[in-house]
Amino acid sequence: NAGVTQTPKFQVLKTGQSMTLQCAQDMNHNSMYWYRQDPGMGLRLIYYSASEGTTDKGEVPNGYNVSRLNKREFSLRLESAAPSQTSVYFCASSGGYEQYFGPGTRLTVT
Amino acid sequence: KNEVEQSPQNLTAQEGEFITINCSYSVGISALHWLQQHPGGGIVSLFMLSSGKKKHGRLIATINIQEKHSSLHITASHPRDSAVYICATLSGGYQKVTFGTGTKLQVIP
Repeated sequence: NAGVTQTPKFQVLKTGQSMTLQCAQDMNHNSMYWYRQDPGMGLRLIYYSASEGTTDKGEVPNGYNVSRLNKREFSLRLESAAPSQTSVYFCASSGGYEQYFGPGTRLTVT
Repeated sequence: KNEVEQSPQNLTAQEGEFITINCSYSVGISALHWLQQHPGGGIVSLFMLSSGKKKHGRLIATINIQEKHSSLHITASHPRDSAVYICATLSGGYQKVTFGTGTKLQVIP
């Protein structure tokens, strides 16, 4: 089992560019999450999906969109990147209470 | 809104020392999660607990629901324990997770 995988690991964007972060899990979990981690702050929830076909906003959704393509995959899209979106992004999945995290994507927006 | 506070924010210990990291929260929760994050690395689950105490190797986690407090203990600390330890509480209908800002631990040989 690969667990939770994320691509890419690193990305540099210019302001205004768009990109999609990919996440997949092979644990047959219903719930999937996108978080961002910034220095001095705890992980903050961007969007989550409680099951295939449903998505909901978290604490910091502005500037992002998500797609729950199927049970395995949950993607995060930045339509027009801004320097404030420079962060480390983590995808996670859960089949109950415990969350399993991907390795993260380090995104820099210049 | 649930507030999760960890203490200390930074901790330096000598190899072999007993270490305690504390986590306090402000509202009722379903469960509490202790996570470990190595520098530049991913996030790994250590414990999920809703009552009492759990032990895994040199790590022990306890939770007091009435006092809204949890502790993570590391016995016989080792340099490889150097990492950020994150407390997270779970509550709400969609498993709402609130994370603490983490405790950065450095264990010196």
